[in-house]
Amino acid sequence: RKEVEQDPGPFNVPEGATVAFNCTYSNSASQSFFWYRQDCRKEPKLLMSVYSSGNEDGRFTAQLNRASQYISLLIRDSKLSDSATYLCVVNKAAGNKLTFGGGTRVLVKP
Amino acid sequence: DTAVSQTPKYLVTQMGNDKSIKCEQNLGHDTMYWYKQDSKKFLKIMFSYNNKELIINETVPNRFSPKSPDKAHLNLHINSLELGDSAVYFCASSQVGGGFSYEQYFGPGTRLTVT
Repeated sequence: RKEVEQDPGPFNVPEGATVAFNCTYSNSASQSFFWYRQDCRKEPKLLMSVYSSGNEDGRFTAQLNRASQYISLLIRDSKLSDSATYLCVVNKAAGNKLTFGGGTRVLVKP
Repeated sequence: DTAVSQTPKYLVTQMGNDKSIKCEQNLGHDTMYWYKQDSKKFLKIMFSYNNKELIINETVPNRFSPKSPDKAHLNLHINSLELGDSAVYFCASSQVGGGFSYEQYFGPGTRLTVT
């Protein structure tokens, strides 16, 4: 089983719709969770950290389910500019070694 | 001002050659990283330095040698390049502390093509 697994997609989303996708992780000792965004031929950039209680940043909502070992990302009112690959990132244990999922590609269409 | 910069942005070279990629960060972070992103888009950590000390060294061929002259710079030297080394190499930096992971800031990447 991979350490961090994501559905590669693509998720084809009509503009204005809501899309949600999950990421599962294998190490129950993981402590830090993030969603990064990567545009085509660009570097990854932090979208948001994921907190135990769940958190929201504008149209983006992240949730953490420790019991089932997954995190989720929900995008509301999708914009064309949301088209990107979303990378689930988990730290292996205490420390700064991050493990990246393979990414979920989202394509928002008019 | 660019936070994490890498040079060169593109590198095309032949098998067997030796090449270097340079990285600099002006964020004042103590920790820097090298990642490799292959054609399948998986991003994998290769090395990490904390204040010039190697702290993460994944299973990477000995042909890859990182060097950190100071905490703001981390270079990657690759000997005897092989076709399988073709990938995008990202440098990143972050602060550390408290046992938790902090946001990593990535450079624009170096697209290496070995022919």
